[in-house]
Amino acid sequence: EVQLVQSGAEVKKPGESLKISCKGSGYSFTSYWIGWVRQMPGKGLEWMGIIYPGDSDTRYSPSFQGQVTISADKSISTAYLQWSSLKASDTAMYYCAISLGGYGDYVFFDYWGQGTLVTVSS
Amino acid sequence: EIVLTQSPGTLSLSPGERATLSCRASQSVSSSYLAWYQQKPGQAPRLLIYGASSRATGIPDRFSGSGSGTDFTLTISRLEPEDFAVYYCQQYGSSPFAFGPGTKVDIK
Repeated sequence: EVQLVQSGAEVKKPGESLKISCKGSGYSFTSYWIGWVRQMPGKGLEWMGIIYPGDSDTRYSPSFQGQVTISADKSISTAYLQWSSLKASDTAMYYCAISLGGYGDYVFFDYWGQGTLVTVSS
Repeated sequence: EIVLTQSPGTLSLSPGERATLSCRASQSVSSSYLAWYQQKPGQAPRLLIYGASSRATGIPDRFSGSGSGTDFTLTISRLEPEDFAVYYCQQYGSSPFAFGPGTKVDIK
């Protein structure tokens, strides 16, 4: 069974750093793109970026380039999303998702994690 | 960068009625690489349609997708109570693979 299990909710202060995780199982972790999607409170879905764990090829949305870092550790089948200095505007639910059914680097998301709620408040 | 718009913003219908949701792209979406997702409150999104018209595994056949180029449609032939949710389109033919703003289907 394909599963993506995300790390738990976080409460942080502005300026702090954070790294959240997404552990994949039930499929070949290195062979499929994994992505991150932001959903701010009461808002829609925003595509942040994707990584191919096999070679760490990473693509970012221009809106998130330089604001976050996407990485993966294939030895433990885990992808990460990290911030070096959080802002209140980073408060959101963050989902990881994978594309098992896509072609090459044409990536839609057919399996999703449960989401990680990040709250940034002073 | 391709921008997606969805209409209407909200669709108020009764169970049993037909729902027609529109997704329009600012540029042609290559090879009809367009997906649709359903999201219910407190849940992660669920893939419904990929490749503009292919149903994902386990999706009932009352959901259908059509379109090409810049204009795409998701149709729900007869709304069931569990279909009232928010629907998003996403293009994945040209990075960044952005989502549309969503259409909320609520009970009339």
